[in-house]
Amino acid sequence: SQQGEEDPQALSIQEGENATMNCSYKTSINNLQWYRQNSGRGLVHLILIRSNEREKHSGRLRVTLDTSKKSSSLLITASRAADTASYFCAMAQTGANNLFFGTGTRLTVIP
Amino acid sequence: DTGVSQNPRHKITKRGQNVTFRCDPISEHNRLYWYRQTLGQGPEFLTYFQNEAQLEKSRLLSDRFSAERPKGSFSTLEIQRTEQGDSAMYLCASRDPPGGRVYGYTFGSGTRLTVV
Repeated sequence: SQQGEEDPQALSIQEGENATMNCSYKTSINNLQWYRQNSGRGLVHLILIRSNEREKHSGRLRVTLDTSKKSSSLLITASRAADTASYFCAMAQTGANNLFFGTGTRLTVIP
Repeated sequence: DTGVSQNPRHKITKRGQNVTFRCDPISEHNRLYWYRQTLGQGPEFLTYFQNEAQLEKSRLLSDRFSAERPKGSFSTLEIQRTEQGDSAMYLCASRDPPGGRVYGYTFGSGTRLTVV
């Protein structure tokens, strides 16, 4: 069962625009991670934010975490056509040995 | 090691047949995970190994499913008496032990199973 929900389910933007995806989850977490998945391929780890962190940057990626609201957002700035993929948040729940994934956001960047 | 390797990439089988998938993790990673992903959904956890010990199994892993990791290296996932509902992408991932530099999972490209 999915432990997180992402919003929007699908997002279509022009190249150069920013893309924002949101993730809401239900339980206590140690950290939250974001992954990218190109069609029919495995997932690629993008960024991890720990429960005591509020914001993290990596290149064109910016992640925020609000543990009081049990939500996170992923911002991709200056999007490129190559960013077209599905993006998943994944929660490392307290006391669990595995990741629980959200439902994903399908991002399409139009050249 | 260049990453997590999964074989085969695709498998088409008739309902009722048995299938086995293989995962070769990054050699220094002692934790190995199996996930299942259906179209349009996020991956769902199946099972977890630390070295050769299977420490956790999801309720999704019915008695037709079995996973092994002999000697704590590669892992196999077997599905017996396949059903059409087993059609999915089966993903394997591995990661560093706690205290390692990287905490994210490294995923393989998956095995896509189609049961006809």
